[in-house]
Amino acid sequence: LAKTTQPISMDSYEGQEVNITCSHNNIATNDYITWYQQFPSQGPRFIIQGYKTKVTNEVASLFIPADRKSSTLSLPRVSLSDTAVYYCPHGGSSASKIIFGSGTRLSIRP
Amino acid sequence: NAGVTQTPKFQVLKTGQSMTLQCAQDMNHEYMSWYRQDPGMGLRLIHYSVGAGITDQGEVPNGYNVSRSTTEDFPLRLLSAAPSQTSVYFCASGTRGDNSEGYTFGSGTRLTVV
Repeated sequence: LAKTTQPISMDSYEGQEVNITCSHNNIATNDYITWYQQFPSQGPRFIIQGYKTKVTNEVASLFIPADRKSSTLSLPRVSLSDTAVYYCPHGGSSASKIIFGSGTRLSIRP
Repeated sequence: NAGVTQTPKFQVLKTGQSMTLQCAQDMNHEYMSWYRQDPGMGLRLIHYSVGAGITDQGEVPNGYNVSRSTTEDFPLRLLSAAPSQTSVYFCASGTRGDNSEGYTFGSGTRLTVV
């Protein structure tokens, strides 16, 4: 089963912008790119999706280049509460199944 | 809407026992999936379903059975529990249609096999 690739961990400080990049080498033509956030002892939570270019919502921005082989999740001015694991699974929001990789463990320091 | 409801939240089993983890969704979603998450690891897909009566294997199906008799329910059965099945199990649901909210996950079942 195809999977995406992303860094295992990242560290940053409160108030900084954090960018997490994901490789989608096996993405299907009709798949949206989605990102999820998971806090300890909770299930993952959908935070943003996109197909091409840039999408922004109240939580994050998502940048997708024209070839769609990668995506970058951008978290502006992070706080301690953004400490979590972030996933960019294979299979879009309307796919029959989504495959998670190891995710990126983001740690925010004061 | 309750979303995705998983029961029980916690369970301790002895090796060799069987049990069923329950999952129900009230969003009329076609797709449902079961994942397991070991400590410090990502989620691994066990089984999934694209609709009532249709199921398929994921990445780690051995030792687990599923069935989907209704749109709402997708139970996961452990046939003969083993310590290697100690994990947190998450159920999720999604829709085939235009879905701007991604998959919805339950709060998980923490299973310990001794």
